[in-house]
Amino acid sequence: AQTVTQSQPEMSVQEAETVTLSCTYDTSESDYYLFWYKQPPSRQMILVIRQEAYKQQNATENRFSVNFQKAAKSFSLKISDSQLGDAAMYFCARANSGYALNFGKGTSLLVTP
Amino acid sequence: DTGVSQNPRHKITKRGQNVTFRCDPISEHNRLYWYRQTLGQGPEFLTYFQNEAQLEKSRLLSDRFSAERPKGSFSTLEIQRTEQGDSAMYLCASSLGHTNTEAFFGQGTRLTVV
Repeated sequence: AQTVTQSQPEMSVQEAETVTLSCTYDTSESDYYLFWYKQPPSRQMILVIRQEAYKQQNATENRFSVNFQKAAKSFSLKISDSQLGDAAMYFCARANSGYALNFGKGTSLLVTP
Repeated sequence: DTGVSQNPRHKITKRGQNVTFRCDPISEHNRLYWYRQTLGQGPEFLTYFQNEAQLEKSRLLSDRFSAERPKGSFSTLEIQRTEQGDSAMYLCASSLGHTNTEAFFGQGTRLTVV
């Protein structure tokens, strides 16, 4: 089975600080897509950031950026200037050309004042 | 159009009963996905439609599960003869286009089988 692994069940960060969430994945495909999704308590999942595997440049969306290491099959998410509203479950996911998302187990992010 | 809508939000049923969930995707989205999420886990893929065609089904989708998307609009997911192990959050998502564009998720239907 092609898996997505998030090794940090929980992470904590102080407001305004930076935190990095880890993700590794396994795939035999050469063309695939990587995503980070955020799921706040009792709310729907929303896309945080997306990376196409063929692109070498790391994706950035405002305070969110990724460190994509294709050879190492690593895809970490960095959140800068953390805000209280960033507290949520964060899921790393991979999609091959078949489009279905394969999710990791998630990392619960706590943001403290 | 305010996003992906799922109904009901919560369903409690007795073991052995049949249940049906509905998903209304974003209107112009041609792709629709069903996922199942249990406590402490990430969502697991169940099935995927492109327009009205069901193109992919996970091995998780036993013969008690059936999904339809008539006319390529809303979709239904039916579970027959429910078991306690079916208790989970059932998530629907939709997306547009021919590449991996953003999938928009609904708020889910939480099923409890007692």
